[in-house]
Amino acid sequence: GENVEQHPSTLSVQEGDSAVIKCTYSDSASNYFPWYKQELGKRPQLIIDIRSNVGEKKDQRIAVTLNKTAKHFSLHITETQPEDSAVYFCAARIKGGNKLTFGGGTRVLVKP
Amino acid sequence: DVKVTQSSRYLVKRTGEKVFLECVQDMDHENMFWYRQDPGLGLRLIYFSYDVKMKEKGDIPEGYSVSREKKERFSLILESASTNQTSMYLCASRLQTGGVSYEQYFGPGTRLTVT
Repeated sequence: GENVEQHPSTLSVQEGDSAVIKCTYSDSASNYFPWYKQELGKRPQLIIDIRSNVGEKKDQRIAVTLNKTAKHFSLHITETQPEDSAVYFCAARIKGGNKLTFGGGTRVLVKP
Repeated sequence: DVKVTQSSRYLVKRTGEKVFLECVQDMDHENMFWYRQDPGLGLRLIYFSYDVKMKEKGDIPEGYSVSREKKERFSLILESASTNQTSMYLCASRLQTGGVSYEQYFGPGTRLTVT
């Protein structure tokens, strides 16, 4: 089955700096890659996703890039703000499959 | 606005007890999921259901069972709770129609402690 690895497990950045989280996946049949943000004590919420027919997608300060050849994808947050502090999860889903396989999560702390 | 609710936010049970965790969604979603969340391990899928009375094992089904008698409700059952089942349990639901799957929406979670 699919295996997703996520790095780093914790990330501390100064407010205004950029943050990058990287994930690798094992199954080349995966074609859908969402990112979820979970604030302290709250439920995970989808912040951005990308499909395998696209190399990059951007939404305001967040962007996701996908390298299908290398089987990795990354989340980029620019101009970080304290409200970006949360745990971020990447995930992958095999084409035609029903389930998401999640990475281990990255705890991001944005220091004012 | 999609709403996924779980019956309890916090639950404390004793080893050997039978435990029921309930999840309800109000958006007529076909697919529902149960995950457990542990630090450093992300979200791991226990079971999912793609329709009423349909279920499929996820990655870590041992020690759990599920029930989906109605479309809006998906129950997770711990037949005989053990301390290693102490965790945060998250339910999710998703619309799937015309062969297309959409975003998963999560419930608020149930933090279960087994003593």
